Amino acid sequence: NAGVMQNPRHLVRRRGQEARLRCSPMKGHSHVYWYRQLPEEGLKFMVYLQKENIIDESGMPKERFSAEFPKEGPSILRIQQVVRGDSAAYFCASSLNYEQYFGPGTRLTVT
Amino acid sequence: GQQLNQSPQSMFIQEGEDVSMNCTSSSIFNTWLWYKQDPGEGPVLLIALYKAGELTSNGRLTAQFGITRKDSFLNISASIPSDVGIYFCAGQVFTSQGGSEKLVFGKGTKLTVNP
Repeated sequence: NAGVMQNPRHLVRRRGQEARLRCSPMKGHSHVYWYRQLPEEGLKFMVYLQKENIIDESGMPKERFSAEFPKEGPSILRIQQVVRGDSAAYFCASSLNYEQYFGPGTRLTVT
Repeated sequence: GQQLNQSPQSMFIQEGEDVSMNCTSSSIFNTWLWYKQDPGEGPVLLIALYKAGELTSNGRLTAQFGITRKDSFLNISASIPSDVGIYFCAGQVFTSQGGSEKLVFGKGTKLTVNP
């Protein structure tokens, strides 16, 4: 089975542009989580989604960030009007029940 | 909010030595998980612990879920060069809807193994 897939692996955006990060969960997994990691730090939870539903978005910044997990297709994390502070590694994880499996991440650099 | 204190922050050991690292929290968790992250990659799940007091092994790795549900340790025996990486503990609570809640991560233990 393929693992969790994320693309792109690296993304460079200028300040003010939009960033779209994609995540395809493991086959059969219906739960998707997004985390952000700054250098030398652990991962910080952002949002938890099931198909077509946001379950917990307590870690998402109130502005500019949004996430979706449509009935068909990958989960999308969208960052509008990016700023330099958004530069980080963004990881997606999926689970069937309790164990979360992570993708390789998208490294976002805002110039 | 929930926080995990992971120690040590870094370790430098010789190949063949045993390693121990731990995590503590003021909060109770339903599950403790241990992950390893290599540079430029995502965390890889090593061990998951579900019951207080549970001791679980995976090859040279052994982890225990503390009896109070507020701590866990990970041991690596007879270290080898490919053990190099950053090890993270993560605590988790379950949702009332079923499925797993968000993971709360420690800051990681960076392991260096000298051949």
